[in-house]
Amino acid sequence: GAVVSQHPSRVICKSGTSVKIECRSLDFQATTMFWYRQFPKQSLMLMATSNEGSKATYEQGVEKDKFLINHASLTLSTLTVTSAHPEDSSFYICSASLLAGVAEQFFGPGTRLTVL
Amino acid sequence: GENVEQHPSTLSVQEGDSAVIKCTYSDSASNYFPWYKQELGKRPQLIIDIRSNVGEKKDQRIAVTLNKTAKHFSLHITETQPEDSAVYFCAASTNAGKSTFGDGTTLTVKP
Repeated sequence: GAVVSQHPSRVICKSGTSVKIECRSLDFQATTMFWYRQFPKQSLMLMATSNEGSKATYEQGVEKDKFLINHASLTLSTLTVTSAHPEDSSFYICSASLLAGVAEQFFGPGTRLTVL
Repeated sequence: GENVEQHPSTLSVQEGDSAVIKCTYSDSASNYFPWYKQELGKRPQLIIDIRSNVGEKKDQRIAVTLNKTAKHFSLHITETQPEDSAVYFCAASTNAGKSTFGDGTTLTVKP
């Protein structure tokens, strides 16, 4: 149980375009989902916390107008990288909590974004 | 906010030896401390976790210890095997679920 999927697994796009990444909890309802970014040989950096039906909470230094997060249902959160640039190339990983107030997270497989 | 420091950044051991990775945290409100193993290009995999009401937890060759007073916790892997080679991350979390990760330790187990 507690499976999280992400789509797409890899995406290559041209500079200036927007890219949408989907994160789904397949066998449970996730009240909270988290979006991370991981550059090569670095740690996971939390970008934002996404709660179903409300606005996402962004970490300091993360531009909310550039990284749009929508948590439309208890099983789906989306991250849209708008006007992507080469410096946005990274590994984007989502995670979901099984229950509100429970810290254990289940991670998606990640999305490798390459912006040309 | 929370600050998690992890040491060492790289660790090389001989197969069969033990490996120890240490983390410290700053926020006394953190009460959940997971350890993840991440292979290249893959998602982090939870290998063991500990909550703040417990001082030690063991699962076969893997153990974690927590010292709440000193705000540090450690991962111990015994009888290491080449397949243990990966990047290991510690994290500290609060009830809100928000996790802060350490910078990672690249473990290499030499056959």
